[in-house]
Amino acid sequence: QVQLHQWGAGLLKPSETLSLTCAVYGGSFSDFCWTWIRQPPGKGLEWIGEIDPSGNTNYNPSLQSRLTMSVDTSKNQFSLKLTSMTAADTAVYYCVRGGGGTCPDIWGQGTMVFVSS
Amino acid sequence: EIVLTQSPGTLSLSPGERATLSCRASQSVAGTYLAWYQQKPGQAPRLLIYGASSRATGIPDRFSGSGSGTDFTLTISRLEPEDFAVYYCLQYGTSRTFGQGTKVEIK
Repeated sequence: QVQLHQWGAGLLKPSETLSLTCAVYGGSFSDFCWTWIRQPPGKGLEWIGEIDPSGNTNYNPSLQSRLTMSVDTSKNQFSLKLTSMTAADTAVYYCVRGGGGTCPDIWGQGTMVFVSS
Repeated sequence: EIVLTQSPGTLSLSPGERATLSCRASQSVAGTYLAWYQQKPGQAPRLLIYGASSRATGIPDRFSGSGSGTDFTLTISRLEPEDFAVYYCLQYGTSRTFGQGTKVEIK
C-alpha cells in the first residue's frame, strides 16, 4: 500500500522560505509524477506544481517565480521550496502521487503552514 | 488557464436522495482529463472519479461521473450519511485547475 509522509516547518515569518519534503513508501516511485497542492483555511484547493522522476517540472504560473521542486529517487522523496512567503501563502500543503497524464490520487497527510510576523 | 465553475455552491439534500453536481469548464478539457474529489473536514481529499467517468479503487457504485468537453457531472444516486462533504472537480488535461467546490449538506 502506497503511503506519503510529509514534513517541514509549520510557522514562518514573512519573506522566509517554505521547505517541505514528502517521502513515498510502497509502490513504484519512478513510475509516477509527484504533485503539490495547497488549501488556505476555509477555502478551495490550489494546484502548486508537479515533478517527474527525471526532475522535469510543471509549475502553477502564479507561483513559478518563487517555486522550486526537486526529487531524490534514491530516497523516494520529493521536495518543495517556496520563497518570499506572505500571509497569503498560509495554507495546508499536500503532497500527492500523480501528475502528467495521471490523475493525482494518493495524498499525504497535509502540513499546516502559517505565515505570521 | 481553464477555469472550472462548479454549481451549485451548496446542495441541501436528505439521506437517500439523489445528488447532481455540475462542473463547467471555460474551454474544452483535453482527453476528458477530469476528476472528482470528496473532502471531509480535517481530512485530505479522496479521489472518487478520474477520466470523467472511471471510479477510483474502492469507490462505491452510487458515485458516477459523466460528461465531456466543457460540461461534467458527478451523480450520487442515493446519499448515505457519510457522503455529506465538499466535492471538487479537477481538470488535468491542460495544466491543472480545480473548481471552487460544492458542499453537500444535510437538509
